[in-house]
Amino acid sequence: EPEVTQTPSHQVTQMGQEVILRCVPISNHLYFYWYRQILGQKVEFLVSFYNNEISEKSEIFDDQFSVERPDGSNFTLKIRSTKLEDSAMYFCASGLSSYNEQFFGPGTRLTVL
Amino acid sequence: QKEVEQDPGPLSVPEGAIVSLNCTYSNSAFQYFMWYRQYSRKGPELLMYTYSSGNKEDGRFTAQVDKSSKYISLFIRDSQPSDSATYLCAMGGSGANSKLTFGKGITLSVRP
Repeated sequence: EPEVTQTPSHQVTQMGQEVILRCVPISNHLYFYWYRQILGQKVEFLVSFYNNEISEKSEIFDDQFSVERPDGSNFTLKIRSTKLEDSAMYFCASGLSSYNEQFFGPGTRLTVL
Repeated sequence: QKEVEQDPGPLSVPEGAIVSLNCTYSNSAFQYFMWYRQYSRKGPELLMYTYSSGNKEDGRFTAQVDKSSKYISLFIRDSQPSDSATYLCAMGGSGANSKLTFGKGITLSVRP
Protein backbone atom coordinates (compact mmCIF):
# COMPACT_ATOMS: atom_id res chain seq x y z
CA GLU A 1 0.00 0.00 0.00
CA PRO A 2 1.44 3.41 -0.95
CA GLU A 3 2.46 5.63 1.94
CA VAL A 4 4.00 8.99 2.69
CA THR A 5 7.61 8.78 3.82
CA GLN A 6 9.67 11.37 5.68
CA THR A 7 13.37 11.80 6.43
CA PRO A 8 15.07 12.13 8.79
CA SER A 9 13.02 10.62 11.61
CA HIS A 10 14.85 12.80 14.14
CA GLN A 11 16.86 15.97 13.57
CA VAL A 12 18.81 17.77 16.26
CA THR A 13 20.10 21.24 15.44
CA GLN A 14 21.50 24.32 17.11
CA MET A 15 19.42 27.48 17.33
CA GLY A 16 19.99 29.67 14.29
CA GLN A 17 20.88 26.79 11.97
CA GLU A 18 18.99 25.93 8.81
CA VAL A 19 17.19 22.60 8.53
CA ILE A 20 15.52 20.86 5.61
CA LEU A 21 12.87 18.26 6.26
CA ARG A 22 12.10 15.89 3.42
CA CYS A 23 8.96 14.10 2.36
CA VAL A 24 8.00 11.78 -0.45
CA PRO A 25 4.21 12.03 -0.91
CA ILE A 26 2.06 9.29 -2.41
CA SER A 27 2.92 9.23 -6.10
CA ASN A 28 -0.37 10.17 -7.76
CA HIS A 29 -1.36 12.79 -5.18
CA LEU A 30 -1.57 16.43 -6.17
CA TYR A 31 -2.02 18.27 -2.86
CA PHE A 32 0.76 18.44 -0.32
CA TYR A 33 0.79 19.75 3.23
CA TRP A 34 3.02 20.36 6.20
CA TYR A 35 1.66 20.25 9.75
CA ARG A 36 3.41 20.37 13.06
CA GLN A 37 2.63 19.12 16.55
CA ILE A 38 4.34 20.55 19.61
CA LEU A 39 4.54 17.94 22.37
CA GLY A 40 1.20 17.61 24.14
CA GLN A 41 -0.58 19.99 21.77
CA LYS A 42 -2.85 19.64 18.78
CA VAL A 43 -1.73 19.09 15.21
CA GLU A 44 -1.47 22.50 13.51
CA PHE A 45 -1.55 23.36 9.82
CA LEU A 46 1.50 25.11 8.38
CA VAL A 47 1.15 25.22 4.61
CA SER A 48 -0.57 23.64 1.62
CA PHE A 49 0.97 23.30 -1.83
CA TYR A 50 -0.67 22.62 -5.17
CA ASN A 51 0.39 23.02 -8.78
CA ASN A 52 3.88 24.10 -7.71
CA GLU A 53 2.80 26.94 -5.53
CA ILE A 54 1.62 27.63 -2.00
CA SER A 55 -2.19 27.64 -1.88
CA GLU A 56 -2.57 28.52 1.80
CA LYS A 57 -0.33 29.17 4.78
CA SER A 58 -0.90 29.75 8.47
CA GLU A 59 0.38 32.54 10.67
CA ILE A 60 3.08 30.18 11.91
CA PHE A 61 4.50 29.92 8.39
CA ASP A 62 6.50 33.14 8.41
CA ASP A 63 9.48 34.23 6.30
CA GLN A 64 11.72 31.72 8.07
CA PHE A 65 9.82 28.87 6.42
CA SER A 66 9.77 27.82 2.78
CA VAL A 67 8.57 24.81 0.83
CA GLU A 68 9.70 23.34 -2.43
CA ARG A 69 8.96 20.46 -4.73
CA PRO A 70 12.38 20.21 -6.37
CA ASP A 71 11.54 17.20 -8.54
CA GLY A 72 8.57 14.96 -9.27
CA SER A 73 8.73 13.07 -6.00
CA ASN A 74 10.16 15.11 -3.10
CA PHE A 75 8.48 17.83 -1.08
CA THR A 76 10.65 19.77 1.36
CA LEU A 77 10.19 22.15 4.25
CA LYS A 78 13.08 24.49 5.02
CA ILE A 79 13.45 26.46 8.22
CA ARG A 80 16.09 29.11 7.63
CA SER A 81 17.10 30.06 11.14
CA THR A 82 15.67 27.70 13.74
CA LYS A 83 14.38 28.89 17.09
CA LEU A 84 13.87 26.92 20.28
CA GLU A 85 10.11 27.11 19.77
CA ASP A 86 10.41 25.32 16.41
CA SER A 87 11.02 22.10 18.34
CA ALA A 88 8.10 19.85 17.38
CA MET A 89 7.04 16.87 15.29
CA TYR A 90 6.64 17.90 11.65
CA PHE A 91 4.25 15.89 9.54
CA CYS A 92 3.95 15.85 5.78
CA ALA A 93 0.60 14.86 4.27
CA SER A 94 -0.72 14.38 0.78
CA GLY A 95 -4.11 14.07 -0.87
CA LEU A 96 -5.49 13.27 -4.28
CA SER A 97 -7.69 16.35 -4.39
CA SER A 98 -8.60 19.26 -2.15
CA TYR A 99 -11.50 17.36 -0.56
CA ASN A 100 -10.11 13.84 -0.39
CA GLU A 101 -8.49 12.10 2.51
CA GLN A 102 -5.12 13.36 3.65
CA PHE A 103 -2.53 10.71 4.41
CA PHE A 104 0.21 11.55 6.86
CA GLY A 105 3.82 10.50 7.04
CA PRO A 106 5.48 9.19 10.21
CA GLY A 107 6.90 12.62 11.04
CA THR A 108 10.28 14.20 11.70
CA ARG A 109 11.03 15.07 15.29
CA LEU A 110 12.93 18.37 15.27
CA THR A 111 14.86 19.30 18.39
CA VAL A 112 16.38 22.78 18.52
CA LEU A 113 19.02 23.26 21.22
CA GLN B 1 -15.24 29.49 20.96
CA LYS B 2 -12.55 27.16 19.59
CA GLU B 3 -12.99 26.08 15.98
CA VAL B 4 -12.90 22.37 16.86
CA GLU B 5 -13.53 21.03 20.33
CA GLN B 6 -13.00 17.46 21.34
CA ASP B 7 -14.15 15.77 24.53
CA PRO B 8 -11.32 15.90 27.06
CA GLY B 9 -9.82 12.63 28.25
CA PRO B 10 -8.34 10.35 29.06
CA LEU B 11 -10.91 7.59 28.59
CA SER B 12 -10.53 4.09 30.03
CA VAL B 13 -12.92 1.26 29.14
CA PRO B 14 -12.94 -2.53 29.58
CA GLU B 15 -12.30 -4.77 26.60
CA GLY B 16 -15.47 -5.37 24.58
CA ALA B 17 -17.06 -2.02 25.48
CA ILE B 18 -18.62 0.34 22.96
CA VAL B 19 -16.64 3.58 22.82
CA SER B 20 -18.11 6.91 21.73
CA LEU B 21 -15.78 9.76 20.80
CA ASN B 22 -17.15 13.18 19.91
CA CYS B 23 -16.19 16.54 18.46
CA THR B 24 -18.06 19.77 17.92
CA TYR B 25 -17.11 22.57 15.57
CA SER B 26 -18.11 26.13 14.84
CA ASN B 27 -17.08 26.68 11.20
CA SER B 28 -19.96 25.85 8.85
CA ALA B 29 -17.54 25.87 5.89
CA PHE B 30 -16.22 22.47 6.93
CA GLN B 31 -17.27 19.93 4.31
CA TYR B 32 -15.37 16.78 5.16
CA PHE B 33 -14.56 15.09 8.40
CA MET B 34 -11.94 12.58 9.40
CA TRP B 35 -10.89 10.53 12.36
CA TYR B 36 -7.27 9.67 12.86
CA ARG B 37 -5.57 7.36 15.31
CA GLN B 38 -2.18 8.38 16.65
CA TYR B 39 0.29 6.41 18.71
CA SER B 40 2.87 8.22 20.79
CA ARG B 41 5.36 10.15 18.63
CA LYS B 42 3.95 8.66 15.42
CA GLY B 43 2.06 10.13 12.49
CA PRO B 44 -1.76 10.30 12.44
CA GLU B 45 -3.24 7.21 10.77
CA LEU B 46 -6.47 7.77 8.87
CA LEU B 47 -9.37 5.71 10.21
CA MET B 48 -12.51 7.21 8.71
CA TYR B 49 -13.40 9.86 6.16
CA THR B 50 -16.89 11.29 5.68
CA TYR B 51 -17.95 13.92 3.19
CA SER B 52 -20.89 16.02 4.43
CA SER B 53 -23.56 14.60 6.77
CA GLY B 54 -24.37 10.95 7.33
CA ASN B 55 -23.00 7.71 8.68
CA LYS B 56 -20.17 5.53 7.50
CA GLU B 57 -19.26 2.10 8.79
CA ASP B 58 -16.00 0.20 8.44
CA GLY B 59 -15.69 -2.98 10.45
CA ARG B 60 -15.96 -2.12 14.14
CA PHE B 61 -15.84 1.63 13.44
CA THR B 62 -18.78 3.91 12.65
CA ALA B 63 -18.42 7.62 11.91
CA GLN B 64 -21.40 9.96 12.17
CA VAL B 65 -21.63 13.54 10.99
CA ASP B 66 -24.48 15.89 11.86
CA LYS B 67 -23.79 19.15 10.08
CA SER B 68 -26.97 20.79 11.38
CA SER B 69 -25.70 20.36 14.95
CA LYS B 70 -22.01 20.74 13.98
CA TYR B 71 -21.28 17.47 15.76
CA ILE B 72 -19.32 14.40 14.72
CA SER B 73 -18.83 11.07 16.44
CA LEU B 74 -16.74 7.94 16.15
CA PHE B 75 -18.07 4.70 17.62
CA ILE B 76 -15.86 1.71 18.26
CA ARG B 77 -17.66 -1.58 18.85
CA ASP B 78 -16.15 -4.53 20.71
CA SER B 79 -13.13 -2.45 21.71
CA GLN B 80 -9.79 -4.24 21.92
CA PRO B 81 -6.60 -3.43 23.85
CA SER B 82 -4.99 -2.73 20.46
CA ASP B 83 -7.44 0.18 20.06
CA SER B 84 -5.58 1.98 22.87
CA ALA B 85 -4.26 5.17 21.25
CA THR B 86 -5.02 8.86 20.87
CA TYR B 87 -7.95 9.63 18.56
CA LEU B 88 -8.02 12.90 16.65
CA CYS B 89 -10.95 14.43 14.85
CA ALA B 90 -10.09 16.65 11.87
CA MET B 91 -12.14 18.62 9.43
CA GLY B 92 -11.61 20.68 6.32
CA GLY B 93 -13.18 22.76 3.60
CA SER B 94 -12.31 22.36 -0.04
CA GLY B 95 -10.37 24.13 -2.74
CA ALA B 96 -8.20 26.84 -1.27
CA ASN B 97 -9.38 25.87 2.22
CA SER B 98 -8.34 22.23 2.15
CA LYS B 99 -6.24 22.49 5.30
CA LEU B 100 -7.34 20.28 8.16
CA THR B 101 -8.25 21.70 11.54
CA PHE B 102 -7.71 19.19 14.32
CA GLY B 103 -9.22 18.61 17.71
CA LYS B 104 -6.82 18.22 20.61
CA GLY B 105 -7.28 14.44 20.70
CA ILE B 106 -8.51 12.03 23.33
CA THR B 107 -6.41 9.21 24.72
CA LEU B 108 -8.27 5.91 24.92
CA SER B 109 -7.13 3.00 27.02
CA VAL B 110 -8.87 -0.39 26.62
CA ARG B 111 -8.26 -2.62 29.64
CA PRO B 112 -7.97 -6.39 29.01
